[in-house]
Amino acid sequence: GAGVSQSPSNKVTEKGKDVELRCDPISGHTALYWYRQRLGQGLEFLIYFQGNSAPDKSGLPSDRFSAERTGESVSTLTIQRTQQEDSAVYLCASSFVAGTGVEAFFGQGTRLTVV
Amino acid sequence: KQEVTQIPAALSVPEGENLVLNCSFTDSAIYNLQWFRQDPGKGLTSLLLIQSSQREQTSGRLNASLDKSSGRSTLYIAASQPGDSATYLCAVTTGRRALTFGSGTRLQVQP
Repeated sequence: GAGVSQSPSNKVTEKGKDVELRCDPISGHTALYWYRQRLGQGLEFLIYFQGNSAPDKSGLPSDRFSAERTGESVSTLTIQRTQQEDSAVYLCASSFVAGTGVEAFFGQGTRLTVV
Repeated sequence: KQEVTQIPAALSVPEGENLVLNCSFTDSAIYNLQWFRQDPGKGLTSLLLIQSSQREQTSGRLNASLDKSSGRSTLYIAASQPGDSATYLCAVTTGRRALTFGSGTRLQVQP
């Protein structure tokens, strides 16, 4: 597609359930990033993938959070045993190669509400 | 650890004014700096990208400058319009790390 696509756009889940969020990057983009944005807050880095290198997971807030990426395509962010504090907008971005002066493009985000 | 600060946090101006948004970062060893716009409930739209070797970039009424050695960038918006109302975010890329964002400047342009 023309841009970064995220699904679902909205997700309401019960506390304790697992959720999967999906990101389809722009075709050919080797770098993919996940961020979290709580209501009224800035963007919080979660994880990023760059080609075949080991992902930088340093931003994941707990072991309930994990992410996978298949090659240079789709990524899924999984949150296990969701808590109310996980409620946020989860944003995905991709770029051709991270850190070389190339623009990052963001999807519209997935709004997660844990009730 | 890279930290990005944006000043002011919020700004309200009448339509037609020129304005400047400020961004500062603590680690000057950046690869690039990017300005984004975020509308309420929406994702981020890339406005301008400045590579570390560049001093400024322009797009329409927007002009972004970069002073890497002092760790500062400004976004200049000329002849502001109500449609410019949004949150403006700056982000830097440092080393292997993904973008580090500032907390944004919330702009309101009054008609």
